[in-house]
Amino acid sequence: AQKITQTQPGMFVQEKEAVTLDCTYDTSDQSYGLFWYKQPSSGEMIFLIYQGSYDEQNATEGRYSLNFQKARKSANLVISASQLGDSAMYFCAMREPSTGGGNKLTFGTGTQLKVEL
Amino acid sequence: KAGVTQTPRYLIKTRGQQVTLSCSPISGHRSVSWYQQTPGQGLQFLFEYFSETQRNKGNFPGRFSGRQFSNSRSEMNVSTLELGDSALYLCASSPGGAGRNEQFFGPGTRLTVL
Repeated sequence: AQKITQTQPGMFVQEKEAVTLDCTYDTSDQSYGLFWYKQPSSGEMIFLIYQGSYDEQNATEGRYSLNFQKARKSANLVISASQLGDSAMYFCAMREPSTGGGNKLTFGTGTQLKVEL
Repeated sequence: KAGVTQTPRYLIKTRGQQVTLSCSPISGHRSVSWYQQTPGQGLQFLFEYFSETQRNKGNFPGRFSGRQFSNSRSEMNVSTLELGDSALYLCASSPGGAGRNEQFFGPGTRLTVL
């Protein structure tokens, strides 16, 4: 069974600094996808970044980058130049392959990030 | 493009009742997935519909069911509500094909069971 582990329940970072949110995963599948989502207090999940298991380069989307270390089964999210609006819960998720294709995501428990002045 | 919409946003029911939640995906998206989010269990996958067929199913009792219409809109139904069904129910849509296929989430329906 797939599992996502986020060991940091809460993180603080000063505005304009970079922060790394940790994510490790466990799967026996060779083909999988890794996602990061942001959930502000409003509740809506916002897609941030995607990394495919066969992608050789680390994914980047603006201020977000994914530090993908396949052998260590880790997919850490790096947010550069933190902003106050980055304060939110962050979830790491993995998509499980299935015979019919599809989109079943397994989520970690999340990391609550607080950006301070 | 309009995002994923969910109705209603808030719902209060009593134990034993049933409830139907609705989700309208992004135009052109054929896959709709449903998730339950609770403080204790976190985010859990309920099911996914693609082209009106259930393609994946999570580990939830049969009281939880869903369907998808020809316009890709989806509904989920929970019968015989229990206190533990109180949660934020999130719907997500995606194109449904292979590859990246990221899911875009709606604002959720917050269900309270009394």
